[in-house]
Amino acid sequence: EPEVTQTPSHQVTQMGQEVILRCVPISNHLYFYWYRQILGQKVEFLVSFYNNEISEKSEIFDDQFSVERPDGSNFTLKIRSTKLEDSAMYFCASSERRLAGDTQYFGPGTRLTVL
Amino acid sequence: EDKVVQSPLSLVVHEGDTVTLNCSYEVTNFRSLLWYKQEKKAPTFLFMLTSSGIEKKSGRLSSILDKKELFSILNITATQTGDSAVYLCAVAVSYGNNRLAFGKGNQVVVIP
Repeated sequence: EPEVTQTPSHQVTQMGQEVILRCVPISNHLYFYWYRQILGQKVEFLVSFYNNEISEKSEIFDDQFSVERPDGSNFTLKIRSTKLEDSAMYFCASSERRLAGDTQYFGPGTRLTVL
Repeated sequence: EDKVVQSPLSLVVHEGDTVTLNCSYEVTNFRSLLWYKQEKKAPTFLFMLTSSGIEKKSGRLSSILDKKELFSILNITATQTGDSAVYLCAVAVSYGNNRLAFGKGNQVVVIP
């Protein structure tokens, strides 16, 4: 069964460094999402992406963050100048369409630890 | 602000018990409500509900949506230890992109 994959599973970085989190969405999906989950808190929407541009972003997704689809399969989240509060589990998701009846499938997540 | 509230936040049951999990919501642009099961990492999809009163069923799990009273229920019958997980309720809330707003989750622990 097709699934969303993410790498790395765990990333440790120093405050102020840049990180790139990678995702490979399900191959026939067209809509891509990033969410994050700070330990003990709810899953929060960051950004959605379609047709090589951002469709919607939350207040969390400020200038520190960017997303890119560098080729036909990968979808990346870049965090510039990481802060301690960026430590969280980052989930990538994808869906085939954006209709009400469409499901978002999640990857296993990347645990980001900022020291 | 979109609100999704799940209750109870945590419960412990014995194998064979029935569990009922609640999710209520207040959102501006409701599109659909989804239930996910989160064990160690990735939320895995269980159900999507868009219409009121139509029960969705998969094995021992079932779910129903009430769009008038703005809530959904997830039932698990004859629980097994493998049902131990956090169950996430999410509401797709924007016309543009199906952005999901999540609740805090229902942590279920099933003991033998």
